[in-house]
Amino acid sequence: ILNVEQSPQSLHVQEGDSTNFTCSFPSSNFYALHWYRWETAKSPEALFVMTLNGDEKKKGRISATLNTKEGYSYLYIKGSQPEDSATYLCALGSGGSYIPTFGRGTSLIVHP
Amino acid sequence: IAGITQAPTSQILAAGRRMTLRCTQDMRHNAMYWYRQDLGLGLRLIHYSNTAGTTGKGEVPDGYSVSRANTDDFPLTLASAVPSQTSVYFCASSIDPYNEQFFGPGTRLTVL
Repeated sequence: ILNVEQSPQSLHVQEGDSTNFTCSFPSSNFYALHWYRWETAKSPEALFVMTLNGDEKKKGRISATLNTKEGYSYLYIKGSQPEDSATYLCALGSGGSYIPTFGRGTSLIVHP
Repeated sequence: IAGITQAPTSQILAAGRRMTLRCTQDMRHNAMYWYRQDLGLGLRLIHYSNTAGTTGKGEVPDGYSVSRANTDDFPLTLASAVPSQTSVYFCASSIDPYNEQFFGPGTRLTVL
């Protein structure tokens, strides 16, 4: 079982604040890193699939970077809005089976 | 149908009973997955299938079985339910094991 760590576990910010959180993973045998957004009472939805060292992806106010050599990815949210409140999951794919291992997520709450 | 569906939406089950959770996708995805969501533990992979006719064990396979007779369907069976199997179960699919997963709406199962 791969060790995929997400930090912080939870985060409370005010509307308009920018924030970021981390996904750390073992760098050996890497093939992909996925980010998902999971709103309460809904299902996870994919944000980004990242495969190359140095990858940067952006979707609206949300962006992500990837460093496969040191084993981390950052997710950034610029100007947080209450509708950004969700749990953000990362999932690492590596090894022969290529089945992603999920971290436990970062819970973000944006206060109006 | 469009996307991925699960049935039932929720179920209360007596311990010792047999139960099959259904999952169907119409996206012609090759890979399918079953996860359980437990408080503080995030998503844990139960079983997966990379293509029709093949299945594999995930992180927590004990007490569960799956089959993949065709591309669209991936049922999860609890042969003899136990209270520790009380959880929310998510089915997911992806075009292949390397790409983003699409999640179903979940099944809330309570074993008494």
